[in-house]
Amino acid sequence: DAKTTQPNSMESNEEEPVHLPCNHSTISGTDYIHWYRQLPSQGPEYVIHGLTSNVNNRMASLAIAEDRKSSTLILHRATLRDAAVYYCILRPYNAGNMLTFGGGTRLMVKP
Amino acid sequence: DAGVTQSPTHLIKTRGQQVTLRCSPKSGHDTVSWYQQALGQGPQFIFQYYEEEERQRGNFPDRFSGHQFPNYSSELNVNALLLGDSALYLCASSLAGPSGYNEQFFGPGTRLTVL
Repeated sequence: DAKTTQPNSMESNEEEPVHLPCNHSTISGTDYIHWYRQLPSQGPEYVIHGLTSNVNNRMASLAIAEDRKSSTLILHRATLRDAAVYYCILRPYNAGNMLTFGGGTRLMVKP
Repeated sequence: DAGVTQSPTHLIKTRGQQVTLRCSPKSGHDTVSWYQQALGQGPQFIFQYYEEEERQRGNFPDRFSGHQFPNYSSELNVNALLLGDSALYLCASSLAGPSGYNEQFFGPGTRLTVL
């Protein structure tokens, strides 16, 4: 399975943008890039996903490199509620529901 | 709209015992997956159920088994508990379909402690 590499932790100030990087140099052409986050004492929740083009939704934006070997999750204005562990996950198209979680990035938001 | 619910919230067992955890999927979902999350680590996939059959399995021993009922709810059973089975057990539900872009919804988990 293709693997992802993320920094262990990052810090941000409240109301500032946050860029969370993910490297996935062995990504295959049918792998979708998914991001989930896990708030303290909760199960993971879906954030966003994409294949080749940049994506925006109400929670975040996903910027995908042209060669698809890296991606960046962008939180436009971090709030204290965004403090969580963020997981970057590759999901092959039509290969089952299994999510392969790595260690993720622990985001700390300072007031 | 109720999301994914799990019971019980917490559970304490002793080594060698057996445990059953329960999950009700989000309304309208037909696929249930189970994950184990040890302290400080990311969740690890155990297995997935669809149409009352195990469809996909992660690297877990046969002590871990499951069931899906006609109403799509699911149970996770763990036999002969070991200390290393202490973890947060998460249930996730989704709609069947191409995995590349289906969103999975997670429950809050059941915290299992094995003494």
